[in-house]
Amino acid sequence: KAGVTQTPRYLIKTRGQQVTLSCSPISGHRSVSWYQQTPGQGLQFLFEYFSETQRNKGNFPGRFSGRQFSNSRSEMNVSTLELGDSALYLCASRAETGIYYEQYFGPGTRLTVT
Amino acid sequence: AQKVTQAQTEISVVEKEDVTLDCVYETRDTTYYLFWYKQPPSGELVFLIRRNSFDEQNEISGRYSWNFQKSTSSFNFTITASQVVDSAVYFCALSNFNKFYFGSGTKLNVKP
Repeated sequence: KAGVTQTPRYLIKTRGQQVTLSCSPISGHRSVSWYQQTPGQGLQFLFEYFSETQRNKGNFPGRFSGRQFSNSRSEMNVSTLELGDSALYLCASRAETGIYYEQYFGPGTRLTVT
Repeated sequence: AQKVTQAQTEISVVEKEDVTLDCVYETRDTTYYLFWYKQPPSGELVFLIRRNSFDEQNEISGRYSWNFQKSTSSFNFTITASQVVDSAVYFCALSNFNKFYFGSGTKLNVKP
């Protein structure tokens, strides 16, 4: 089974621009979560989508948004980029079987804002 | 509030040494899950293990073992006979189904 894929892997943007990141979950997984990883803040939860609906949300400003398509693929958008948005953005898809679940991560998109 | 603490920021060992990574968690939920992930330099988090709050049985998988103790709210990870390929950042995480809460990670350096 193919793993979680994220595109692009690396991105360089200028402050004030916007960016869209893409995530394709493992086949059959309907939940996709996004995380931001920075050296100072560690791994922080952005939001989770399940069956095209946002199910959970972290504490990030409205500049960060996402969506999920009917095939479970998800996109994350950051508008008006700031220098502090430079980070590794990780996507994870989740398998839920009854009360058990496991979360599998993609390789991440490294975003650099200059 | 949910919280995961990994007090060890960085650990260095020589190959073949045993090493234990500590994880302490806080939660008021009675049902929760604990996870360990490995993040090699490539960046991708690799799932290692999941434990639910009702199962305190320790687990061994090859050179890896996990010790879950609810009484001390700890879920420690031991690597026996460490190898250079074990060098990575290891994250402990707590989940109450709705969200995942990660510790700050422990960077493990295994020197030849």
